[in-house]
Amino acid sequence: TQLLEQSPQFLSIQEGENLTVYCNSSSVFSSLQWYRQEPGEGPVLLVTVVTGGEVKKLKRLTFQFGDARKDSSLHITAAQPGDTGLYLCAGYSGGGADGLTFGKGTHLIIQP
Amino acid sequence: ETGVTQTPRHLVMGMTNKKSLKCEQHLGHNAMYWYKQSAKKPLELMFVYSLEERVENNSVPSRFSPECPNSSHLFLHLHTLQPEDSALYLCASSQNSGSPDEQFFGPGTRLTVL
Repeated sequence: TQLLEQSPQFLSIQEGENLTVYCNSSSVFSSLQWYRQEPGEGPVLLVTVVTGGEVKKLKRLTFQFGDARKDSSLHITAAQPGDTGLYLCAGYSGGGADGLTFGKGTHLIIQP
Repeated sequence: ETGVTQTPRHLVMGMTNKKSLKCEQHLGHNAMYWYKQSAKKPLELMFVYSLEERVENNSVPSRFSPECPNSSHLFLHLHTLQPEDSALYLCASSQNSGSPDEQFFGPGTRLTVL
């Protein structure tokens, strides 16, 4: 069974601070996705990373895929209250009908 | 109506009741999914349908019964549930199953079993 461990599980910081959340596994994934889920809604895709070492930026969010394609990080610069939500990583290893393996998520609260 | 919709948004049921959750996608996707989201657990994949045919059943108890009458609609029929089945049930769709395609999620049905 492939597992994705996300850390920290909970994070509460002040507006304007920087933060990094992590997604780690002992398994290799051919691609990895990050989703954000807001209260009362389903997860929404933020980014997909495919190549080992790849870095993608989405405004104040920077996503990195590890060289060995076993881990990923999400860095947020100057966090804002609108960044509050549950951040989920999901890995795709190829084969099988289901496709994605999800982590438990990081609950992020940005206080004004 | 666009995206993935789910009804009802909230459901409270007794252990002897029978109810159904409905999901509809307006994206022209070929694959649809049911997930269970509980506190402190990863999203648990329950069922996968590709072109209306079930392709994955991750050892889900028989008290959960899926139905996919066409590529746009997915149901989850519930009967004799247990309190531990209380959770957020999410429906999702993607262009194809078994691929890294983006999954589009509905808002979920918050289920409480008394």
